[in-house]
Amino acid sequence: AQSVTQLDSQVPVFEEAPVELRCNYSSSVSVYLFWYVQYPNQGLQLLLKYLSGSTLVKGINGFEAEFNKSQTSFHLRKPSVHISDTAEYFCAVSDRMWRISGGYQKVTFGTGTKLQVIP
Amino acid sequence: DAGVIQSPRHEVTEMGQEVTLRCKPISGHNSLFWYRQTMMRGLELLIYFNNNVPIDDSGMPEDRFSAKMPNASFSTLKIQPSEPRDSAVYFCASSWHLGVSTSETQYFGPGTRLLVL
Repeated sequence: AQSVTQLDSQVPVFEEAPVELRCNYSSSVSVYLFWYVQYPNQGLQLLLKYLSGSTLVKGINGFEAEFNKSQTSFHLRKPSVHISDTAEYFCAVSDRMWRISGGYQKVTFGTGTKLQVIP
Repeated sequence: DAGVIQSPRHEVTEMGQEVTLRCKPISGHNSLFWYRQTMMRGLELLIYFNNNVPIDDSGMPEDRFSAKMPNASFSTLKIQPSEPRDSAVYFCASSWHLGVSTSETQYFGPGTRLLVL
């Protein structure tokens, strides 16, 4: 069974400082990995995803993540954060799920990391 | 495109009442997901539809919960009777299913915040 661990529930960081949000996953087979962001009172939106190829993935708003298979990690980074980056960030892993009715990619989300950017 | 539309945005009801949440997926998408988000359990998948057919409902908590997708542009999640422990934010998401071997981006609605008193 697949799972995602986000060790940090909250990360405070000063504006213009770098930030890293940690994510570790477990899965029995090859996986697809995602980072989603949730702003207050909104739904989740995709920041970036890793499907295959280069292990360094660039996303929107200046974020990037690195897939590390040996460490089963997919940490999210940004070199300089802005106030508008204050939000909750979710790491997710998807894997094949088979049911009698058919198969699909089931996405399992982590518990989220609240990023608080301090002016 | 207007994105995934959910209604109502907020719902306050009393224990025992029936609650119906509604979702309109992005036009052209053939996959629809219902999620529940709580502080204790995070984001959980309740049910997944593909081409209006329920594929995986293993996340539906109990018989009080039911979901339908009568056509490609509308889905409902019903709770009857509702209980205080059902209080949560319910999200609908849609995507274009490309096959079991690849994972597509899910597009989330703004959610329905449900409070059962």
